[in-house]
Amino acid sequence: EAGVAQSPRYKIIEKRQSVAFWCNPISGHATLYWYQQILGQGPKLLIQFQNNGVVDDSQLPKDRFSAERLKGVDSTLKIQPAKLEDSAVYLCASSLEAGHSTDTQYFGPGTRLTVL
Amino acid sequence: GNSVTQMEGPVTLSEEAFLTINCTYTATGYPSLFWYVQYPGEGLQLLLKATKADDKGSNKGFEATYRKETTSFHLEKGSVQVSDSAVYFCALIRPIIQGAQKLVFGQGTRLTINP
Repeated sequence: EAGVAQSPRYKIIEKRQSVAFWCNPISGHATLYWYQQILGQGPKLLIQFQNNGVVDDSQLPKDRFSAERLKGVDSTLKIQPAKLEDSAVYLCASSLEAGHSTDTQYFGPGTRLTVL
Repeated sequence: GNSVTQMEGPVTLSEEAFLTINCTYTATGYPSLFWYVQYPGEGLQLLLKATKADDKGSNKGFEATYRKETTSFHLEKGSVQVSDSAVYFCALIRPIIQGAQKLVFGQGTRLTINP
């Protein structure tokens, strides 16, 4: 079974530029998550989708970050404009469903973003 | 609020040593508890989990027991190998709305095993 795919793996941009990350979850997984992992810290949830609807985006800086999952499969996370403090690894995860606390989230390899 | 605190790293051990990585949590209700591992250059992988008090999760020689009375979920392994070198994250799941769950992670503990 293929895992969660993410691209690109690495991205270097200058501040105030735009960037987009792509995620393809495990086939059949209804729930998709985007996390931000700053160096030396644990991942922090940015946004959670259930199919193509947003379940939780309370930690997403909506003035510069946006995300979509139009057909309930792939998802894109965008930053516009980027700031230095956005340098982090952006992780995508998926799970079969989010109705139970035992539901396992499967993570992709992440995209390492460096903002100069 | 809900939070997870792990022992600070880095932790460096010799091969075949005994490993303990401490994890304590603060949560309302009864969360499920997880250990995730991140090997160099790879994504996070679920190592083990426990969903209720006194449950013991185990995998690949690692164990952790859900202790409600001490709000702890310490990770242990009797004899570590070089291949166990990685960053380990303790996490809990708390419900955010009905049908949705949110993983809350600790800051991670980097483990290095020397031959």
